Amino acid sequence: NAGVMQNPRHLVRRRGQEARLRCSPMKGHSHVYWYRQLPEEGLKFMVYLQKENIIDESGMPKERFSAEFPKEGPSILRIQQVVRGDSAAYFCASSRKAVQETQYFGPGTRLLVL
Amino acid sequence: SQQGEEDPQALSIQEGENATMNCSYKTSINNLQWYRQNSGRGLVHLILIRSNEREKHSGRLRVTLDTSKKSSSLLITASRAADTASYFCATADGEYGNKLVFGAGTILRVKS
Repeated sequence: NAGVMQNPRHLVRRRGQEARLRCSPMKGHSHVYWYRQLPEEGLKFMVYLQKENIIDESGMPKERFSAEFPKEGPSILRIQQVVRGDSAAYFCASSRKAVQETQYFGPGTRLLVL
Repeated sequence: SQQGEEDPQALSIQEGENATMNCSYKTSINNLQWYRQNSGRGLVHLILIRSNEREKHSGRLRVTLDTSKKSSSLLITASRAADTASYFCATADGEYGNKLVFGAGTILRVKS
């Protein structure tokens, strides 16, 4: 049973470009979460999605960031017009159910904005 | 919102010794989870302890939870060089307990 998959593992963008990060949850998991980790810090929650629905986006910056989890295909975290401060590791996690369930994390995408 | 805070921030021990890391949080919880992160890698789930549990074991790991003190500890016995990593505790926030709130972590270095 494959774990949570994320791609790309590393992404380099210039300021002003768009970044698209993909996450495929574990088989049988329909709940996806995105977290961001800045250097030397713990992870910070960004958004929680179920298929075709955003459940909790309280951790998402108000501008330039969006997330989706379509009926078919992976979840996408999209960052428009990236700035240097967006450089971080972005982790996706998935769980089987929503309530009080263990979240399993992917290997992360390391975004570097030049 | 509640937040796990680990201490110490860094811990360096010799192989074979035990390592203890502590975590404190602010509000009531349903469960607390511990994760490990090797340098530059993703998080690996270690153990989940529920609020009605006081102690839990998994191999060389022992986790305790004291809800009256709002604290938890992770003990790694007979440490190995491969245990070198950052360790995070996380509590669940949000309406469904889906939003994990992580502390800054403890960096453990096990010297061989």
